[in-house]
Formats: sequence, C-alpha cells, structure tokens
Amino acid sequence: NAGVTQTPKFQVLKTGQSMTLQCAQDMNHEYMSWYRQDPGMGLRLIHYSVGAGITDQGEVPNGYNVSRSTTEDFPLRLLSAAPSQTSVYFCASSSPGRTNYGYTFGSGTRLTVV
Amino acid sequence: GDSVTQMEGPVTLSEEAFLTINCTYTATGYPSLFWYVQYPGEGLQLLLKATKADDKGSNKGFEATYRKETTSFHLEKGSVQVSDSAVYFCATNQAGTALIFGKGTTLSVSS
Repeated sequence: NAGVTQTPKFQVLKTGQSMTLQCAQDMNHEYMSWYRQDPGMGLRLIHYSVGAGITDQGEVPNGYNVSRSTTEDFPLRLLSAAPSQTSVYFCASSSPGRTNYGYTFGSGTRLTVV
Repeated sequence: GDSVTQMEGPVTLSEEAFLTINCTYTATGYPSLFWYVQYPGEGLQLLLKATKADDKGSNKGFEATYRKETTSFHLEKGSVQVSDSAVYFCATNQAGTALIFGKGTTLSVSS
C-alpha cells in the first residue's frame, strides 16, 4: 500500500517551460487536492477534486491546470512556469467517509523556476 | 470563505516548558479541525484532530479542544522536548473536501 505518490521529488525549470507534477493514490479516495507551501504563507490550496471528472479552484489557482480522468491520478500542470511558482507542492487525498479523520499527504515536489 | 488564523512564530522555548499555539477559524457549518506537524525536511503528519464541538484531540502529549463558542482550537503541551521542534499547522476541512491551513508556527526547543 503506497498511499499518495508524488513525482518527481525535485525539479528545476526555466521560465516559460511547461511540466506536469504527478500525484497518484492507491486507496480509492474520491477527494484529491494540491497545495503549495511557501515560507511564511503556510500551505495554500491550488485545486481540488471530489471525484473523477470533477475539479474546482482553490485559493491560488492561477497558472495551474488540473484534470481528473481517473480516481487514482490528479496531475498538476504548469503551462508556462514563472519564478513565482518556485515552491514545494503537496498532493493529498481522502474520501467522504474519512475527511473527519485526516488526509493522506504525499512527500512533496520541490520545484525551482529560474 | 473558510479561513484559519494561527499565532505567528517563531516560538522559542526551553525543554520542559509549557507550550500554547493559538488557532482560530472561520467556517460555515460544522467543520473538523486538525493540527499537522512538519519536522525539518519532511512532509506533513497528522498530529491530532477533533470532529465536533467540545471534542479534545490528543497525541504524543499534545492536546487541543474544539471550542465552538470561541471558534478556537489551541494546541497545548505541558512539557516540550527538543524533538518537538517543528512547524505546526492548524487546519479545517473546507466543506469536507479539502483542507484550509493556517500559515504555520515554527517551534524551536532548546536543551
């Protein structure tokens, strides 16, 4: 049981490049979400999904796209990376019957945009 | 929308001191409340939770009580250790679907 798997762990991009941060979970959780962590800002919600085919914006969605074609996967796409997107990104999952009991987090992706 | 406010850090304590980290929230409905901890270089771990008013969550000597009348969920520990040095995040679950975090409080404990 792997839980929530994020890849890659580290990435350096040049301004304007695109990339996809991968997030996969094997717990059959309906709810998945992406956060970015910046010093002094805590974790801020980027996008979230309550099931396959359903996504919604969080607090800081600009510059990021998501899709949810399967229950297991919730990739985060940066179409044109900017230095302001340098951050640590976390993916999390839960299910409707479990949200009161915690969310499972991935180990994070550290992204640097130069 | 839902939000969480927690005390600014850093908090610096000596070993065996008493710890309080304040957390207040605004939310619609009846959210659950959480404290997460992040040790240096690691991801987030759930420390404790409370799912309804007056519930007390506890783990590893830490406690927090869900106070609906004051919309608070303050984290306390009676005697901190050096190993408790970490960043602590208060959070609520927005409409049950995703977490909304406070900005985090860095705790440093010296021996």
